Amino acid sequence: DAGVIQSPRHEVTEMGQEVTLRCKPISGHDYLFWYRQTMMRGLELLIYFNNNVPIDDSGMPEDRFSAKMPNASFSTLKIQPSEPRDSAVYFCASSLVRQGGYGYTFGSGTRLTVV
Amino acid sequence: GEDVEQSLFLSVREGDSSVINCTYTDSSSTYLYWYKQEPGAGLQLLTYIFSNMDMKQDQRLTVLLNKKDKHLSLRIADTQTGDSAIYFCAESSPRNTDKLIFGTGTRLQVFP
Repeated sequence: DAGVIQSPRHEVTEMGQEVTLRCKPISGHDYLFWYRQTMMRGLELLIYFNNNVPIDDSGMPEDRFSAKMPNASFSTLKIQPSEPRDSAVYFCASSLVRQGGYGYTFGSGTRLTVV
Repeated sequence: GEDVEQSLFLSVREGDSSVINCTYTDSSSTYLYWYKQEPGAGLQLLTYIFSNMDMKQDQRLTVLLNKKDKHLSLRIADTQTGDSAIYFCAESSPRNTDKLIFGTGTRLQVFP
């Protein structure tokens, strides 16, 4: 398995533009998580899905953020309109149903810069 | 609520042992994890320990768990420059079996 795949690796956009981040989880994993990492706030859980259904989106900062999981192999995180304070590294992670010793498998992240 | 805390920085000499500490507040935690994040990369699961264990050893890594004090540590023997990274501890509990609670991360710097 190629692991969790995120695209793009880097994104630079102007303030006010729409940004879409993409994630392909590991096949067979039932949970998908979106995290944001910044120096100031560390690693923040934004939203997670179970069997493609959003379970907890309490970490989504504002209505400008939205996430979808149309099928088991694809998820998107959209920011519209983007702002400079959204600049961060966004990680997607997936896991099996039971945590146990599996933990999460993380993607390599998307570094977003909003200018 | 749940809280996982770590010191921010640790600097060690190559060849010495490193000990990274973590405290957590959820007494019902079932699994505790250590993740490693290298520059420009995602988090990678290093090791984990089940809450009914006191210690787990995996090659150069030793995890110690003091459940009474809610204290977790990761010891890296014979630390190498390639061990320089950010180390995160995380916990899962029945109250949050779907998600992990991560600490703030400890940046380990290894100097020659």
